[in-house]
Amino acid sequence: GAVVSQHPSRVICKSGTSVKIECRSLDFQATTMFWYRQFPKKSLMLMATSNEGSKATYEQGVEKDKFLINHASLTLSTLTVTSAHPEDSSFYICSAREDTYGELFFGEGSRLTVL
Amino acid sequence: SQQGEEDPQALSIQEGENATMNCSYKTSINNLQWYRQNSGRGLVHLILIRSNEREKHSGRLRVTLDTSKKSSSLLITASRAADTASYFCATDALNQGGKLIFGQGTELSVKP
Repeated sequence: GAVVSQHPSRVICKSGTSVKIECRSLDFQATTMFWYRQFPKKSLMLMATSNEGSKATYEQGVEKDKFLINHASLTLSTLTVTSAHPEDSSFYICSAREDTYGELFFGEGSRLTVL
Repeated sequence: SQQGEEDPQALSIQEGENATMNCSYKTSINNLQWYRQNSGRGLVHLILIRSNEREKHSGRLRVTLDTSKKSSSLLITASRAADTASYFCATDALNQGGKLIFGQGTELSVKP
């Protein structure tokens, strides 16, 4: 299957700083990418849908100014957690698909710890 | 909105036994998918069942879908210790642009 790469896999930062997480589709062009957040022993919560070249669509309750999503190319989407706080500590997972109803491929996730 | 309820939340069985996990959802769907997640890792796609399908098999996995009851089940036969993981159903709802909404998951523990 296709490969989606996330970087970094783990990041620790101080409260108040911003952190950028990258999601890359390695062997296909991803018209759509999705960002999820997962708390320990909980399910994945969809944060936003990212389409190449347009603004991300955020799910209800997700602060778009807090979680900045950029999908500047067909192989890269980034999630920036701005002014991070301890409650933003979580596992963030991206997924990508080549076309609207194609199979969704998931990255390995990025664990963010905010001190 | 997020949707999908799974039961049981946790399931502990012995190797060789079968494991059944259930998933219920709320809206009409294009398809329903099952994923596996090992602790702290990404998701592994197991199987996709379309709304016009009722049953699907893949190796030791059997998935059923009942759209009238808006429910699905995942059966793992002859379980192995390596099957220990969390299992999630995810729905691709109609007119939602292909986004997947995940259920709460079942934590399966298979004891050797």
